[in-house]
Amino acid sequence: DSGVTQTPKHLITATGQRVTLRCSPRSGDLSVYWYQQSLDQGLQFLIQYYNGEERAKGNILERFSAQQFPDLHSELNLSSLELGDSALYFCASSGLRDGTFNEQFFGPGTRLTVL
Amino acid sequence: GQQVMQIPQYQHVQEGEDFTTYCNSSTTLSNIQWYKQRPGGHPVFLIQLVKSGEVKKQKRLTFQFGEAKKNSSLHITATQTTDVGTYFCAGRTGGGNKLTFGTGTQLKVEL
Repeated sequence: DSGVTQTPKHLITATGQRVTLRCSPRSGDLSVYWYQQSLDQGLQFLIQYYNGEERAKGNILERFSAQQFPDLHSELNLSSLELGDSALYFCASSGLRDGTFNEQFFGPGTRLTVL
Repeated sequence: GQQVMQIPQYQHVQEGEDFTTYCNSSTTLSNIQWYKQRPGGHPVFLIQLVKSGEVKKQKRLTFQFGEAKKNSSLHITATQTTDVGTYFCAGRTGGGNKLTFGTGTQLKVEL
């Protein structure tokens, strides 16, 4: 158990819909990362938040957005869903030591299926 | 943008054989991390390498960071069925916050 929690575990929805994925980081970690893992694309970094502020951005579509709340949990919002958005979405958290982000601890993931 | 490639993409070995996965970055890295993802699981951190030419060992696993800090390798001696999974390297450039994950090497170990 990494200490990172994600809900829901599975999500099945239809094209055009909007969903929200939720993540709670490990106790004490201020940084949250979101990744998308598809069968043919490996782990794609989407976005990072640190203490409520966006810190780094990866290949995140405009239809996707995220935020980190004062209690440090994070939500990833996916809208106008397409079949190609079906994937495993991971959240990870890390701490900061000597100005460098440490190793990342991954949650169990949310499997999104868009029909 | 930065790209991190891993070879091979897949590797099947007999239990007891050795295994090596190689990681190559298009840019110089400040550090590199390795993760293991078991089938149906999530990536789990294994190790971080920071210094040029650094070598670290964890039991049967040996990790190496290249002199130019653009490549890395993971070698497993005498594989066991518990080694099954996908191994990812992940590189960080400069003072950046973003980790770029490699394409992964899926290891299968047969009895």
